[in-house]
Amino acid sequence: DAGVTQSPTHLIKTRGQQVTLRCSPKSGHDTVSWYQQALGQGPQFIFQYYEEEERQRGNFPDRFSGHQFPNYSSELNVNALLLGDSALYLCASSWRAGAKNIQYFGAGTRLSVL
Amino acid sequence: KQEVTQIPAALSVPEGENLVLNCSFTDSAIYNLQWFRQDPGKGLTSLLLIQSSQREQTSGRLNASLDKSSGRSTLYIAASQPGDSATYLCAGNYGGATNKLIFGTGTLLAVQP
Repeated sequence: DAGVTQSPTHLIKTRGQQVTLRCSPKSGHDTVSWYQQALGQGPQFIFQYYEEEERQRGNFPDRFSGHQFPNYSSELNVNALLLGDSALYLCASSWRAGAKNIQYFGAGTRLSVL
Repeated sequence: KQEVTQIPAALSVPEGENLVLNCSFTDSAIYNLQWFRQDPGKGLTSLLLIQSSQREQTSGRLNASLDKSSGRSTLYIAASQPGDSATYLCAGNYGGATNKLIFGTGTLLAVQP
């Protein structure tokens, strides 16, 4: 049973570019959340997708957008990259949204913006 | 504002020592609290999840407690080993429509052989 998988593992972009990160949830899971973890910090919630809709959003600008596909996989898009967007981006999946449902995390995508 | 704080930021102990990591949260209306382990440059591995109705959870050498009234959780690691060296993160879940987690900044643990 594959866990949460993310691609790519590493990515280098320059300021102003756009990037797309991908996440496949754990088998049987239908909810995907994205987190940003800057160096030395705890992960910060970006948004959550369930039934192909954004259900809740953290304190991130509109440059951050996402999508969920019918197979429950998800993409995170970041436009007009800034140096400050350099971070580890983590995807987490669970069965249904809802507080009691444990989230499982992927290994992350390390984004470096030069 | 719901915030999670972890103290200390870093800890170094000799192998075999028992240790306690601390986590504080500002809003006691927590639904559950989860402890994670993160190795350098890697994702998060869930260690223990404590529901708000529970006082503690145990897994092997790990024991986590939750005191909602004081807004505190502790992670106890018995007989520490060099392989325990990692960053330990706690995260609070306040329920609602999503299971969004609010993370602390972590404690970097080094166990010296």
